[in-house]
Amino acid sequence: AQSVTQPDIHITVSEGASLELRCNYSYGATPYLFWYVQSPGQGLQLLLKYFSGDTLVQGIKGFEAEFKRSQSSFNLRKPSVHWSDAAEYFCAVGGYNNAGNMLTFGGGTRLMVKP
Amino acid sequence: ETGVTQSPTHLIKTRGQQVTLRCSSQSGHNTVSWYQQALGQGPQFIFQYYREEENGRGNFPPRFSGLQFPNYSSELNVNALELDDSALYLCASSSEKQGTRYFGPGTRLTVT
Repeated sequence: AQSVTQPDIHITVSEGASLELRCNYSYGATPYLFWYVQSPGQGLQLLLKYFSGDTLVQGIKGFEAEFKRSQSSFNLRKPSVHWSDAAEYFCAVGGYNNAGNMLTFGGGTRLMVKP
Repeated sequence: ETGVTQSPTHLIKTRGQQVTLRCSSQSGHNTVSWYQQALGQGPQFIFQYYREEENGRGNFPPRFSGLQFPNYSSELNVNALELDDSALYLCASSSEKQGTRYFGPGTRLTVT
């Protein structure tokens, strides 16, 4: 069965500092990987995705993520965090299993930004 | 291009009642999936519809059912509501079964 682990439930960074959010996945084949962001009470906005090809993918709002097959990881990074980045971040893996075609999400990481 | 829309925004129901949530998919998308997000958790897959047929279902009981219409909009129906059904229900659409999912703003359901 596919699964996603986001080890950090909460992270606090200062505005302007760099950010890395961790994501580890379990999937039997080459995964489709996603990062979504959710502001309080809102839906999910797609930040970036990996399907194949270059393992470093660029997304919106200055975010990037690197797929590392050997480590089963897909960590999200940003060189300089802005106060508006405070939100909940979800990593997800997509693919077929016995439940059909679905996304499996991690538990999320809540990012707080200090001024 | 119109994004994914959901209605209603908020809903309060009593235990044992039935509820219908609605979703309009993004223009050009033929696949709709539904997710339940309990407070403080990641979304959980309920089911997916592709061209009006269910083509995947997560670990949810049969009282969770759905429909997809010829215009690819969709409904999620929940019968015999339980307190644990209180959650944010998210609809996502994509242009193919394995495509990138674009999510709507969600419907917040509270069961009392």
